[in-house]
Amino acid sequence: AQKITQTQPGMFVQEKEAVTLDCTYDTSDPSYGLFWYKQPSSGEMIFLIYQGSYDQQNATEGRYSLNFQKARKSANLVISASQLGDSAMYFCAMRPTGNQFYFGTGTSLTVIP
Amino acid sequence: DGGITQSPKYLFRKEGQNVTLSCEQNLNHDAMYWYRQDPGQGLRLIYYSQIVNDFQKGDIAEGYSVSREKKESFPLTVTSAQKNPTAFYLCASSIPGGLINQPQHFGDGTRLSIL
Repeated sequence: AQKITQTQPGMFVQEKEAVTLDCTYDTSDPSYGLFWYKQPSSGEMIFLIYQGSYDQQNATEGRYSLNFQKARKSANLVISASQLGDSAMYFCAMRPTGNQFYFGTGTSLTVIP
Repeated sequence: DGGITQSPKYLFRKEGQNVTLSCEQNLNHDAMYWYRQDPGQGLRLIYYSQIVNDFQKGDIAEGYSVSREKKESFPLTVTSAQKNPTAFYLCASSIPGGLINQPQHFGDGTRLSIL
């Protein structure tokens, strides 16, 4: 079975601090991709970062980095130097081989000034 | 610029009425998807299509129908059989097949409400 679990419904972080959003996954496919998306209150889904199951290094994109621990089946998103504009819902997603994507239930992040 | 266009942004449905949500993409993607999102919830797959004239049911297909007559277009019809259609609907597309590093691209969504 394919499954994505995000256990933090809501998180708060002080502006300029770093925050980690948790994501665990389950799949029997040896090859898969892991994605994080940001959804502001306006509703659009913004692709942030990608990690492949065979990638040796953790992915980074600007202030976003992905802490990938394959043995633990976790793919946590780290946002450094939080900004007020980072307040949004964040979704973890997985793409095993094939066309379907599997999404977690999301984490609502609030950045406090 | 390439992207996905969903229309309308807001839609209101009367009881017993069918309504159609439009989704058009110019990314030349073969695979297209429809998701439903309820307040504070994740995305649930309604239907997806890997190629023209082919589509598969997702987890919550009951009360919905789709067509895929053109590569660029994947309209969703919310039928009167869907008793609780109020939600946010997102259309997405992706490069299909074994390219696991390719993300989904999303439209801006349609908010559907019952009158």
